[in-house]
Amino acid sequence: EIVLTQSPGILSLSPGERATLSCRASQSIRSSYLAWYQQKPGQAPRLLMSGASSRATGIPERFSGSGSGTDFTLTISRLEPEDFALYYCQQYGSSPELTFGGGTKVEIK
Amino acid sequence: QVQLVQSGAEVKKPGASVKVSCKASGYTFTGYYMHWVRQAPGQGLQWMGWINPSSGGTHYAQKFQGWVTMTRDTSISTAYMELSRLTSDDTAVYYCAKKGDIAELDYWGQGTLVTVSS
Repeated sequence: EIVLTQSPGILSLSPGERATLSCRASQSIRSSYLAWYQQKPGQAPRLLMSGASSRATGIPERFSGSGSGTDFTLTISRLEPEDFALYYCQQYGSSPELTFGGGTKVEIK
Repeated sequence: QVQLVQSGAEVKKPGASVKVSCKASGYTFTGYYMHWVRQAPGQGLQWMGWINPSSGGTHYAQKFQGWVTMTRDTSISTAYMELSRLTSDDTAVYYCAKKGDIAELDYWGQGTLVTVSS
């Protein structure tokens, strides 16, 4: 089973700052099989990014994704108040199993 | 527009079973796998498995093999997830989620809270 490790666990930033979230896989995965989600309290997760770097429908341009192999990054260029939330990465393997990272909480500093 | 509407909250006793439904609309139900994911209170997302609505074929996460059953009724575009032999550890919000074109889960249901308590 592929394990996804997200860091940091908590990211304390101010509105307007840049957020960089990391997702590291225990073995190499195809970029097309890496996705990112945002979850706010009491809500279902929302797809942000698929294929590691393709924004989902309606996702603002301040969100970007990058990476390959075992290291992937989600960047929020300038944090808006509505961006303070939990973020999860997810991979879909060949087994065909699906796994999520443990999550990164972006909180207001 | 794509919508996944799940059944309402459930309270069950230990040892019982629960069956959660997920009614899909706005797309071809048989064209995309449906996944189930759960989230215990204050915890992260845990993948449970998927069902191919076209064939009825399933694949369950190893942890859930033997006690989860995923089915579907194509006549009403609805997927089901049944979990048996419930314990307090199964208290969680259960989500259905439609698989997108590649590997992402592009639409999610609103979630169903299942509480297991004696």
